[in-house]
Amino acid sequence: QVQLVQSGAEVKKPGASVKVSCKASGYTFTAYTVHWLRQAPGQRPEYMGWINPDRGNTRSSQKFQDRVTITRDTSANTAYLELNSLTSEDTAVYYCARVRRPHPPYDAYDVWGQGTKVTVSS
Amino acid sequence: DIQMTQSPSSLSASVGDRVTITCQASQGISNYLNWYQQKPGKAPKLLIYDASNLETGVPSRFSGSGSGTHFSFTISSLQPEDIATYYCQQHDFPPITFGQGTRLEI
Repeated sequence: QVQLVQSGAEVKKPGASVKVSCKASGYTFTAYTVHWLRQAPGQRPEYMGWINPDRGNTRSSQKFQDRVTITRDTSANTAYLELNSLTSEDTAVYYCARVRRPHPPYDAYDVWGQGTKVTVSS
Repeated sequence: DIQMTQSPSSLSASVGDRVTITCQASQGISNYLNWYQQKPGKAPKLLIYDASNLETGVPSRFSGSGSGTHFSFTISSLQPEDIATYYCQQHDFPPITFGQGTRLEI
């Protein structure tokens, strides 16, 4: 079945970086844009950016532009999110999600990863 | 950024009730509005896309309507398994934004 499986929970110290992976299966990885979002406790989901796995081009929200890197490995059907200069405000569950149609890059999210909890604490 | 405002923030209803949630966008977004259900500890689940289209496999008691700036989401007959938080989300103008959520209780 179509699914996205994310890497496990992380605990990081302030100032560190975190890299979360998202492995796709059950569909052609390069055919659908993958987005990254996060959700702090008790808050709404927050969009961070996306990658076109075919071309490798990305776009990030202005809020995270200086700190986020989104990449992919097509041989492993995996997308990655790296966030730098972590603070306690980055404590959240991070999700990858697939858009429901191949084009355009912005659409509803029909498949979600299970989420990766990132805790930033000294 | 487009602001999405949901109403109410929380709602208590009984099994069998008809429940309606509204979502207002700060500017027109055509029909690029989606609705999600999220249960504790789980990822959001897509229920309605493009304002009124039922996602495959979603029960027909869920429906959506609206366009422009005003949208609504309805559960025609509330079931116990519908207890969750519901979010609207626009994908017309980046950055994608979500409403603050409606917590549904029985």
